[in-house]
Amino acid sequence: GIQVEQSPPDLILQEGANSTLRCNFSDSVNNLQWFHQNPWGQLINLFYIPSGTKQNGRLSATTVATERYSLLYISSSQTTDSGVYFCAVEPGTDKLIFGTGTRLQVFP
Amino acid sequence: DTEVTQTPKHLVMGMTNKKSLKCEQHMGHRAMYWYKQKAKKPPELMFVYSYEKLSINESVPSRFSPECPNSSLLNLHLHALQPEDSALYLCASSQGDGNSNQPQHFGDGTRLSIL
Repeated sequence: GIQVEQSPPDLILQEGANSTLRCNFSDSVNNLQWFHQNPWGQLINLFYIPSGTKQNGRLSATTVATERYSLLYISSSQTTDSGVYFCAVEPGTDKLIFGTGTRLQVFP
Repeated sequence: DTEVTQTPKHLVMGMTNKKSLKCEQHMGHRAMYWYKQKAKKPPELMFVYSYEKLSINESVPSRFSPECPNSSLLNLHLHALQPEDSALYLCASSQGDGNSNQPQHFGDGTRLSIL
């Protein structure tokens, strides 16, 4: 089956720093989503981005489908950005496969 | 605020108990999903319902029994669970119709503990 690897696995930042999270996938996909899971377990949609670039406030994402990777950029990080960031891909229809996750801690 | 509502938020049950997890969405989505997430791991797909019919079962043990009474509701019936079934159970829905993919929207989850 498709493999979805995220890097780095852990990231520690001071408030105000910028970061880039990477998601590599081993086969072509129809859908790619980025999620933030907060410390309470809530899984929050960040981007639906099967290809191209999108921006939402301090966050932006780019997916290069032909090269099988996606990047999530976080600028001016805040303590509320802490949690786990997952990318998830849909190789066919309906079956969302989650990556290994990046655990982000932002300190004041 | 999530548009997918899950109840209860927390559940503690013994191995001989029978309980149900409930999920509701009012976005008119045609697909609904159950995922299981163990601590420090990514969510893993369990079941998919499309147009109220079970379309994917990821070889889930029969002690987990899904049910889709109508297009807005999804239940997960639990019976004779094991301690290793303790996890966060997430429900999701999407509008994708099998030919076009759409994002999945997740509920806040039910945190299940088996004693």
